[in-house]
Amino acid sequence: EAGVAQSPRYKIIEKRQSVAFWCNPISGHATLYWYQQILGQGPKLLIQFQNNGVVDDSQLPKDRFSAERLKGVDSTLKIQPAKLEDSAVYLCASSPGQSSYNEQFFGPGTRLTVL
Amino acid sequence: GDSVTQMEGPVTLSEEAFLTINCTYTATGYPSLFWYVQYPGEGLQLLLKATKADDKGSNKGFEATYRKETTSFHLEKGSVQVSDSAVYFCALTLSNDYKLSFGAGTTVTVRA
Repeated sequence: EAGVAQSPRYKIIEKRQSVAFWCNPISGHATLYWYQQILGQGPKLLIQFQNNGVVDDSQLPKDRFSAERLKGVDSTLKIQPAKLEDSAVYLCASSPGQSSYNEQFFGPGTRLTVL
Repeated sequence: GDSVTQMEGPVTLSEEAFLTINCTYTATGYPSLFWYVQYPGEGLQLLLKATKADDKGSNKGFEATYRKETTSFHLEKGSVQVSDSAVYFCALTLSNDYKLSFGAGTTVTVRA
């Protein structure tokens, strides 16, 4: 079974530029998550989708971050404009459902460096 | 709010040594508890979990017991190998929620 795919793996941009990350979850997984992991910290949830609808985006800085999951499969996360403090690893995860007992499967992440 | 506090690292051990990583939690409800592991260059993987008090999760020689009285979920392994070198994260979710709340992670390095 293929795992969660993310691209690119690494991205370096200058502040005020825009950037987009892509995630392809495990086939059949209805729930998709985006996490931000700042160096030295644990991952923090940014947004959760159930199929193509947003369940929770309370931690998403909506003035600069946006995310979509068209057709309930792939998802993109965008930052515009980027700030220095956005330097982090962005993790995508998926799970079969929304229960807290469902294991979340993580992709390898995209490491973003903002200069 | 709900949170997880885990032992700060880094931790450096010799092969076959005993490993303990402490994890305590604060939660308003009855959480499920998890340990995730991140090997170098790879994504986070679920190592083990426990969904109610006194449950013991185990996998790959690692164990952790859900202790409600001490609000703890300490990770242990009796004899570590070089291949256990990784970052370990303690995490929780609430029964009426889905969000994983992670600790800061503990980096473990095992030397041959």
